[in-house]
Amino acid sequence: GENVEQHPSTLSVQEGDSAVIKCTYSDSASNYFPWYKQELGKGPQLIIDIRSNVGEKKDQRIAVTLNKTAKHFSLHITETQPEDSAVYFCAASRSGGGADGLTFGKGTHLIIQP
Amino acid sequence: KAGVTQTPRYLIKTRGQQVTLSCSPISGHRSVSWYQQTPGQGLQFLFEYFSETQRNKGNFPGRFSGRQFSNSRSEMNVSTLELGDSALYLCASSLGSGGQGEQFFGPGTRLTVL
Repeated sequence: GENVEQHPSTLSVQEGDSAVIKCTYSDSASNYFPWYKQELGKGPQLIIDIRSNVGEKKDQRIAVTLNKTAKHFSLHITETQPEDSAVYFCAASRSGGGADGLTFGKGTHLIIQP
Repeated sequence: KAGVTQTPRYLIKTRGQQVTLSCSPISGHRSVSWYQQTPGQGLQFLFEYFSETQRNKGNFPGRFSGRQFSNSRSEMNVSTLELGDSALYLCASSLGSGGQGEQFFGPGTRLTVL
């Protein structure tokens, strides 16, 4: 089955700086890669996703890049703000997040230092 | 549009008991997936239901079961509870199955087994 590795497990950055979280996956058939943000006491919230026919996608301060050859994808957050503090999960799926479920990384605790 | 709702939010049970958790998807969504979240194992896929049929199942014992009703609401049942079943149980809904939509998560049910 699919295996997703996520690094780092904890990331502390100064407010205003950029944060980068990296994930690798094992199943070359995976074609959908979402990123979720989870705040304390809440369920994961989808913040951005990318499909395998695209190399990069941006949404305001958030961007995701995908390298299919190397089987890795990354989340980039620019101009970090205190509200960005949360746990971030990457995930991968063969079927766009549907029938075979999402395989998640272990999560990155992002801490924004004031 | 209302989000995914899960009931109850918190539950305390003792070993050997059984439990039923409920999930109401976003209106119009026909797919419901269930995930278990623990500090040690992270987020793990349990199963997915689409149009009242289980489409796929993760690597969990038969004590974990579910069903989906004609209005797309889903229930998850865990029988003969074990201490290791203590976790946050999350459900996620999507418009379709097999790559037809992103998954949106509910707030989860926190199950504690004593």
